[in-house]
Amino acid sequence: AQSVSQHNHHVILSEAASLELGCNYSYGGTVNLFWYVQYPGQHLQLLLKYFSGDPLVKGIKGFEAEFIKSKFSFNLRKPSVQWSDTAEYFCALRAAGNKLTFGGGTRVLVKP
Amino acid sequence: DTGVSQDPRHKITKRGQNVTFRCDPISEHNRLYWYRQTLGQGPEFLTYFQNEAQLEKSRLLSDRFSAERPKGSFSTLEIQRTEQGDSAMYLCASSQRGDSYNEQFFGPGTRLTVL
Repeated sequence: AQSVSQHNHHVILSEAASLELGCNYSYGGTVNLFWYVQYPGQHLQLLLKYFSGDPLVKGIKGFEAEFIKSKFSFNLRKPSVQWSDTAEYFCALRAAGNKLTFGGGTRVLVKP
Repeated sequence: DTGVSQDPRHKITKRGQNVTFRCDPISEHNRLYWYRQTLGQGPEFLTYFQNEAQLEKSRLLSDRFSAERPKGSFSTLEIQRTEQGDSAMYLCASSQRGDSYNEQFFGPGTRLTVL
C-alpha cells in the first residue's frame, strides 16, 4: 500500500523568506506526484505535478518541486514567500489506479 | 462557474439520521471521486466512478455508506445511521479520462457535523 508523509505540520515564516516543505512517499513502483494548496476558505487547487522527465517541476505562483527517486521525496520550494501564500499544502501521489493518496498537510502562515 | 459543485455546503444532523450529499462534476469529466477529510488530516479516498460505473471503493466505505452516479453525471453519497465519527469534510473531485495527467479538480466540500 502507498503512503505519503509530510514532516512539518505547521510552518511560520516572514514575507520574503524561503520556503521548503518536505514530502516523502512509500511505494515501490512508478508514481505520479502532486502538490495541492488550499487557501483559507477555498477548495483544493493543484500547484504542480510530476509525471516523468525533468525531476524539477515548476508550478503556479513561483512554486517548484524536486522529485528525488532515491530518497522517495518530492519537496516543495518557493524562494520568496508572500503573505498570500498563507495556506495549507498537501502532497499527494497516484500509484496504481486513479485515486490520490494524500499526506497530512502542512499549514503555512506567512507573517507580513 | 464551470467548476465542481457540492450541495449542501454544511450539514448538521443528529446521530442515527441519514444524510445525502450531492456532487456535480465539471460537465465534460467522466471520472468522479469522493474523499473524506477529518480535522488535521489530508483527504482520504472513498470511492471512484467512471461514467456510471463504481470502479473502486475504499475499505473506509463501510456498509452504511453508499454512492451512486446513475446517469454518469452528478453523484450522491449517502450515509445511513450517522455516527459522531462520520463528522468530516466530504470532498468530491472530477477528472477527464483521456487527459494524460488525469488532473483531479476538487469541489468546495460538504462539512458534516454529527451531534
